[in-house]
Amino acid sequence: AQSVTQLGSHVSVSEGALVLLRCNYSSSVPPYLFWYVQYPNQGLQLLLKYTTGATLVKGINGFEAEFKKSETSFHLTKPSAHMSDAAEYFCAVSQNTGNQFYFGTGTSLTVIP
Amino acid sequence: ETGVTQTPRHLVMGMTNKKSLKCEQHLGHNAMYWYKQSAKKPLELMFVYNFKEQTENNSVPSRFSPECPNSSHLFLHLHTLQPEDSALYLCASSQITAGASPYEQYFGPGTRLTVT
Repeated sequence: AQSVTQLGSHVSVSEGALVLLRCNYSSSVPPYLFWYVQYPNQGLQLLLKYTTGATLVKGINGFEAEFKKSETSFHLTKPSAHMSDAAEYFCAVSQNTGNQFYFGTGTSLTVIP
Repeated sequence: ETGVTQTPRHLVMGMTNKKSLKCEQHLGHNAMYWYKQSAKKPLELMFVYNFKEQTENNSVPSRFSPECPNSSHLFLHLHTLQPEDSALYLCASSQITAGASPYEQYFGPGTRLTVT
């Protein structure tokens, strides 16, 4: 069985500060991991994904995430928050067969000017 | 049109109405999905279609009826809904290749459904 836990349903950071959004997963097989962002009144947009290879993955808008197998984590970071980063962020896991994604409950990011 | 489009964007319907949600993908993908997004809950996968064939139905009540006439179009027919069915309904598509790692899903903007 697969599941995703996102710690902190709401995160607030100051503009220019580090963004850290946490994601832990459980998977019985090697996982594929994704971060999506959802802006108000829009669908989900892929930020980045990990399938195989390098464990540090870079995505769009300056975001990156590191796959840590020992910690079953895939935390999302950005060195310096921008006002336009305010949105809902979803972590998702998929297995290496099939096409079912399992999403976390989401983290709402607020950026304070 | 590009990407994944959904119509209508907003829908208000009574419990006795019948309505349909439409999704169209312009990406040449071969798999399409319906998700339900409710506040404070994970996205709930409702239906999956691969090559127009339904492969998943995650215990969705029969008042939701999907239809996939071709690989580019997906419908969700609604009838006798309940107020708890009010949510954002998201459509997504992806390209599934046998033996390959799963590719990301591309989402439409959703239909905000309110059942009164």
